[in-house]
Amino acid sequence: AQTVTQSQPEMSVQEAETVTLSCTYDTSESDYYLFWYKQPPSRQMILVIRQEAYKQQNATENRFSVNFQKAAKSFSLKISDSQLGDAAMYFCAYRSAKKTSYDKVIFGPGTSLSVIP
Amino acid sequence: DAGVIQSPRHEVTEMGQEVTLRCKPISGHDYLFWYRQTMMRGLELLIYFNNNVPIDDSGMPEDRFSAKMPNASFSTLKIQPSEPRDSAVYFCASSSRVIEQYFGPGTRLTVT
Repeated sequence: AQTVTQSQPEMSVQEAETVTLSCTYDTSESDYYLFWYKQPPSRQMILVIRQEAYKQQNATENRFSVNFQKAAKSFSLKISDSQLGDAAMYFCAYRSAKKTSYDKVIFGPGTSLSVIP
Repeated sequence: DAGVIQSPRHEVTEMGQEVTLRCKPISGHDYLFWYRQTMMRGLELLIYFNNNVPIDDSGMPEDRFSAKMPNASFSTLKIQPSEPRDSAVYFCASSSRVIEQYFGPGTRLTVT
């Protein structure tokens, strides 16, 4: 069974600085998707970024980028120029890309990010 | 599109009462998921549907929990009778063959 691990329960970053959140996963599959979701105090779960395992190029979305290391099964999120609005819980998630597999997503335990003004 | 809609946003009830949570998925999405989030257990998948049919309910904690999806635009999660340990935030999410799941705003349930 697939698992997702986030080893940093809490992190903090100074405003305007850069922070990296770690995520590792375990799977025997070769084709899958990885996601980072953000959950601010409002509780709304917001998709931040997505990575397809077959793509070697790391995904980027404005100030958010990932470092995808398939062999190491690592998927870290880098937030550049951190803003106060980035303060939230961040969840790493995995989904199989098998056509015969259902759409179940495996979520990690989350990392709580604080942004210091 | 309005996104995934959940109601109510907050629910406070007494132990033993029936609780019904509602969800309207994004139009055109054929998967619907119910999650529960607590500090102790994190985000747990309770049940999910594909084309209105329950596919996997192995996450439903016990028989007090039930979920239905009578049509493509509506689903309910019912707890009867409710207990204090059911207090949590309940999320509904939907997706299509497009990859991402889109979450609703959640329902914060408090059982006293």
